[in-house]
Amino acid sequence: AQTVTQSQPEMSVQEAETVTLSCTYDTSESDYYLFWYKQPPSRQMILVIRQEAYKQQNATENRFSVNFQKAAKSFSLKISDSQLGDAAMYFCAYNEYGDDKIIFGKGTRLHILP
Amino acid sequence: EAGVTQFPSHSVIEKGQTVTLRCDPISGHDNLYWYRRVMGKEIKFLLHFVKESKQDESGMPNNRFLAERTGGTYSTLKVQPAELEDSGVYFCASSQDAISGGSTDTQYFGPGTRLTVL
Repeated sequence: AQTVTQSQPEMSVQEAETVTLSCTYDTSESDYYLFWYKQPPSRQMILVIRQEAYKQQNATENRFSVNFQKAAKSFSLKISDSQLGDAAMYFCAYNEYGDDKIIFGKGTRLHILP
Repeated sequence: EAGVTQFPSHSVIEKGQTVTLRCDPISGHDNLYWYRRVMGKEIKFLLHFVKESKQDESGMPNNRFLAERTGGTYSTLKVQPAELEDSGVYFCASSQDAISGGSTDTQYFGPGTRLTVL
């Protein structure tokens, strides 16, 4: 069965600095999608970034970028120029090609220090 | 465009009682999903509707949980009778088109319903 592991339950970063959140996953499939979702306190969970496994190029969305290492089954999220609004729980997630369910990690709570 | 909405935002009930959670997906979205996060653990898939039909209910924990989606619009998740281990946050998500051609449409999540069973 596929699993997603986030080894950092909590992290802190100074405002304007860069932080990297780690994620590893386990699968025997070759076609899949990876996601980072963000859930601010008491608010909706939103999709931050998405990566298709067949794409070698790392996905980027403004200040958010990923380091996708398919062979190592690693999918880290880098947040550049951290802002107070980035404080949230971040979930790494996996979805097998053609499947309906998303498999989530336990999440990493990110604190932004002013 | 309104996002996925869930009601109530928080529910506190006694063990043995019944609770019904509601989810309104984004208008026009065929797919509706229920997930649950028990404290300290991962968010886990419960089930998936395509319109009014249950496509996959492999994640439903037991027969105390009943999900419906009448008319393919909003969905309800009823827990009867509730047990202590049912406490957690219940998320609903929706996506636009039925899975076809191998594409995966983005699932948009609601804010969740926090259920506390005492």
